[in-house]
Amino acid sequence: NAGVMQNPRHLVRRRGQEARLRCSPMKGHSHVYWYRQLPEEGLKFMVYLQKENIIDESGMPKERFSAEFPKEGPSILRIQQVVRGDSAAYFCASSPGSEKTLFFGSGTQLSVL
Amino acid sequence: RKEVEQDPGPFNVPEGATVAFNCTYSNSASQSFFWYRQDCRKEPKLLMSVYSSGNEDGRFTAQLNRASQYISLLIRDSKLSDSATYLCVVPRSGGSYIPTFGRGTSLIVHP
Repeated sequence: NAGVMQNPRHLVRRRGQEARLRCSPMKGHSHVYWYRQLPEEGLKFMVYLQKENIIDESGMPKERFSAEFPKEGPSILRIQQVVRGDSAAYFCASSPGSEKTLFFGSGTQLSVL
Repeated sequence: RKEVEQDPGPFNVPEGATVAFNCTYSNSASQSFFWYRQDCRKEPKLLMSVYSSGNEDGRFTAQLNRASQYISLLIRDSKLSDSATYLCVVPRSGGSYIPTFGRGTSLIVHP
């Protein structure tokens, strides 16, 4: 039973490019959370999705950031026109239901040149 | 009070020592609490859930104090491999269920 899969593991983008981060939850999990972690800082909540629905996006910047979790396929976190400040580790976590334990993917390290 | 607050440490202890971390939280309605462990540059991994009655798993004990709104993690007989950052997780107040992470407490166990 595969765990939460994130790819790519590392992503390098130049300023102004787009970054797409993918997350496949554990089998049977329909809840997905995205978190961002800057060096020496804690995990900051970005967005919470269930299949085909955004439940809470209060932690996600209104500009340039979007997320989806389609009926088929992985959840995608999309960052348009990246800036240096977007450089961080982005972790995805899934759970089987609300108020259940989160299981994390190994993260995507985004570096913006 | 911040939603979740932890002493960042580092806690520097010798092997075999007992060490305890506290985590305070502001959401008095919180029902579920967790401790996660994060190794450098890796994903957080669940260490244990925290139940009202306390929870023990081998050398690790988690306690909840609702009156004072804190949870604690006790590690007995520390091993070198316990060196990591320990993250406290509490649901955010209001709205949908959003696990909120503390900044973590760094533990360094030395020989």
